[in-house]
Amino acid sequence: QLQLQGSGPGLVKPSETLSLTCTVSGASISSRSYYWGWIRQPPGKGLEWIGTISYSGSTYYNPSLKSRVTISVDTSKNQFSLRLRSMTAADTAVYYCARSSMVVTLVLPPDLWGQGTLVTVSS
Amino acid sequence: DIQMTQSPSSLSASVGDRVTITCRASQGISNYLAWYQQKPGKVPKLLIYDASTLQSGVPSRFSGSRSGTDFTLTISSLQPEDVATYFCQMHNDAPTWTFGQGTKVEIK
Repeated sequence: QLQLQGSGPGLVKPSETLSLTCTVSGASISSRSYYWGWIRQPPGKGLEWIGTISYSGSTYYNPSLKSRVTISVDTSKNQFSLRLRSMTAADTAVYYCARSSMVVTLVLPPDLWGQGTLVTVSS
Repeated sequence: DIQMTQSPSSLSASVGDRVTITCRASQGISNYLAWYQQKPGKVPKLLIYDASTLQSGVPSRFSGSRSGTDFTLTISSLQPEDVATYFCQMHNDAPTWTFGQGTKVEIK
C-alpha cells in the first residue's frame, strides 16, 4: 500500500531555508503513474499549493512562491524534497506532501496525502 | 488568472438535512473541479473530481454537479461524521492546483 511520510524540522528561524522530505513507500517514485507535490495550510486557514514534480523531473511552482521554492527527487532514496528559502512568519503552516495519479495523459488532483508537518517560523 | 469563489464560508444544518456548497470560477474550466473534505485535525481527503466523479470509497450521499462555471457539492443527508471543512479545487491546469477558501460545516 502506497504511503507518504513527511519529515523535517518543526522550527525554522526567519530568513533561513526550510528543507522537508517526503519518503514514498509502496511504489517507485519514478513510476510514470504519479506526480508528487507539496501543499501547505497556515493554522486555521485554507490550502495553498506550493509545487509539483513529475516522474521525469519536470517542476511546476505556484507563481507566488516560485522565486523561493525548489522541489527535487532523490530516486535512490525514493524521496522527494521541498526547499523554501527566506522563510518568514507568514510561512508558518502545516506542510503536506501529496501524490497525484495519472490517467492516460491527465494528472488527477492529489488523492494521497502525507500526515503533514507543522513548521513554525520564529527566532 | 482564474479565480475561485466558494460559498458559504460556514453553515450549520441538522442531521438529515440536504446541504449544498458552491464554487464559482471566474472563467470556464470545463469539468475540472474537485472537492476535498478535511475533518478537524486530519489530512484533506479527495471526495470528487471532474466535477462529479466520486472517489472510490466515498459515501453515495456526496455528489457533485456543474452548471456553466458554477459547481456544487451536495450532501444529500447530513451525518454527524460529515462535520468538516470542505474545499473546492480547480484542476484545469494540472498539475497546478488552486483551492477555494473553504466551507465549514457544523451540526445544528
